[in-house]
Amino acid sequence: ETGVTQSPTHLIKTRGQQVTLRCSSQSGHNTVSWYQQALGQGPQFIFQYYREEENGRGNFPPRFSGLQFPNYSSELNVNALELDDSALYLCASSFNYVTNTDTQYFGPGTRLTVL
Amino acid sequence: GEDVEQSLFLSVREGDSSVINCTYTDSSSTYLYWYKQEPGAGLQLLTYIFSNMDMKQDQRLTVLLNKKDKHLSLRIADTQTGDSAIYFCAEKGYSTLTFGKGTMLLVSP
Repeated sequence: ETGVTQSPTHLIKTRGQQVTLRCSSQSGHNTVSWYQQALGQGPQFIFQYYREEENGRGNFPPRFSGLQFPNYSSELNVNALELDDSALYLCASSFNYVTNTDTQYFGPGTRLTVL
Repeated sequence: GEDVEQSLFLSVREGDSSVINCTYTDSSSTYLYWYKQEPGAGLQLLTYIFSNMDMKQDQRLTVLLNKKDKHLSLRIADTQTGDSAIYFCAEKGYSTLTFGKGTMLLVSP
């Protein structure tokens, strides 16, 4: 069974640029959630995708957007990057999460630095 | 709104027991989780407890849940230096996990 993988591992961008982060969910999982973890903080929920549809969103502006593909992998896109977007971005996958039956498993994260 | 609070730091000696505490506010949470994060890494699921349980034991880990006080604790028996990490508790909402800020556990030899 393959775990959750994320790419790239690290990324450096400048203010105003756009970035795309990728996540492959664990085998058999159909739900992907994205979290932002600033230094010294707990992860903050960005949004969740279930069967290719957005299924909940946290308090993040519209310049944070996402996609889920038929194979349940997912992308997080951030436009017009700001310095405060520097963080560890975590992806988590689960199965049939909306029915409260399963648990989120996290990938290793992508460390984004905005200069 | 939902809020999860944890003490920020705990220091113990190798071989002692560690107890990490957490309070949460959403009484409708169905599951509560403990995750471990080592430096520069993602979150590793340690254990979870369903809201209709009071206690769950898994090898060296014991989770206690007091629903009346909305208090959750994680006890690590025979703490080892490899247990040094940040521990997060999280409560499950409809489509999200709400995390505390994490407790840094430092285990000294």
